[in-house]
Amino acid sequence: ETGVTQSPTHLIKTRGQQVTLRCSSQSGHNTVSWYQQALGQGPQFIFQYYREEENGRGNFPPRFSGLQFPNYSSELNVNALELDDSALYLCASSLGKLAGGIYEQYFGPGTRLTVT
Amino acid sequence: DQQVKQNSPSLSVQEGRISILNCDYTNSMFDYFLWYKKYPAEGPTFLISISSIKDKNEDGRFTVFLNKSAKHLSLHIVPSQPGDSAVYFCAASGGSSNTGKLIFGQGTTLQVKP
Repeated sequence: ETGVTQSPTHLIKTRGQQVTLRCSSQSGHNTVSWYQQALGQGPQFIFQYYREEENGRGNFPPRFSGLQFPNYSSELNVNALELDDSALYLCASSLGKLAGGIYEQYFGPGTRLTVT
Repeated sequence: DQQVKQNSPSLSVQEGRISILNCDYTNSMFDYFLWYKKYPAEGPTFLISISSIKDKNEDGRFTVFLNKSAKHLSLHIVPSQPGDSAVYFCAASGGSSNTGKLIFGQGTTLQVKP
């Protein structure tokens, strides 16, 4: 069974640029959630995708957007990067609502984004 | 507004003793609680969970206790081992949105000394 993978591992961008982060969910999981973890804080929910549709969004501006593909992999896109976007971005996959397992989410190793 | 709080940033215990990590929440609509462990350069790893209809759940050395009236949960690790040294996050979910969105505390760094 393959776990959750994310790419790239590290990324350095300049303020104002755009970035795309990628996530492959665990085999059999159809729900993907994205979180932002700032230094010294717990992860904060950005949004969730269930069967290719957005299924809930946290308190993040519209320049944070996402996609989920038919194979349940996912992308997080951030436009007009700001210095405060520097953080660890975590992807988590889980079983969908029908399986009743939406709560136990399994995380990837994260992408460390630095905005200069 | 921090809905899930871990008020102890760090905890140090001796190998073989009990580790008790605490977590408080404010939203009475939460109906599922989870504990995650995180090592440096890795994503959080799911440890144990508990539904709000229970007050205790046990899995090997790990036990989670839930006190709904106090809006408090705790994770007990017995006996503690040096490999348990990590950052521990509690998380909560539930309510009307039903998206499975997890709300995390700030984390507690546990150090288990040999």
